[in-house]
Amino acid sequence: QKEVEQNSGPLSVPEGAIASLNCTYSDRGSQSFFWYRQYSGKSPELIMFIYSNGDKEDGRFTAQLNKASQYVSLLIRDSQPSDSATYLCAVPNQGGKLIFGQGTELSVKP
Amino acid sequence: KAGVTQTPRYLIKTRGQQVTLSCSPISGHRSVSWYQQTPGQGLQFLFEYFSETQRNKGNFPGRFSGRQFSNSRSEMNVSTLELGDSALYLCASSLAGRENTGELFFGEGSRLTVL
Repeated sequence: QKEVEQNSGPLSVPEGAIASLNCTYSDRGSQSFFWYRQYSGKSPELIMFIYSNGDKEDGRFTAQLNKASQYVSLLIRDSQPSDSATYLCAVPNQGGKLIFGQGTELSVKP
Repeated sequence: KAGVTQTPRYLIKTRGQQVTLSCSPISGHRSVSWYQQTPGQGLQFLFEYFSETQRNKGNFPGRFSGRQFSNSRSEMNVSTLELGDSALYLCASSLAGRENTGELFFGEGSRLTVL
């Protein structure tokens, strides 16, 4: 089992819809969770992090964490074509390495 | 504030050669991590340096090595290049103290092609 798993997509949503990106992780001891966005041909950039169970909102982005289910998600409300990118979930493992999922490619159609 | 700077941005090498990549972190950042990104494997952790010491290492062969200097600048070296080493090599810096917080700032990467 991979340490961090994501559906590779592509996930296609119409402009204005809610995009839901999901991530599962294997280490029950994980305490912090990160979402990075990577535009084509660019490097990843941090957009959200969450430490506690529940929801964390930042503008159109909401991160949701359920430690019991070892599941973290990212919701993007009112999706825009400029949100089209690959979204990477990342979790530090017990050794302190930041492990990335394969990423989910999101395409927002006008 | 200047971001993370990686050089060279692009390079082409042949099998058996060696390559050195350089990374200058954001001023004040003492942790530097290196990742290999390929379409098939995604972002794979290579190693992390903090205060000139390798703090973590990924599952790559010994041909991959790195170091960090007193000014926090870092280099990674790949010896005896193989075709499979063709990838984007990303450097990331952070303010991380005793532990990696996961809040990384990435450079633009060095794209290595091995022929």
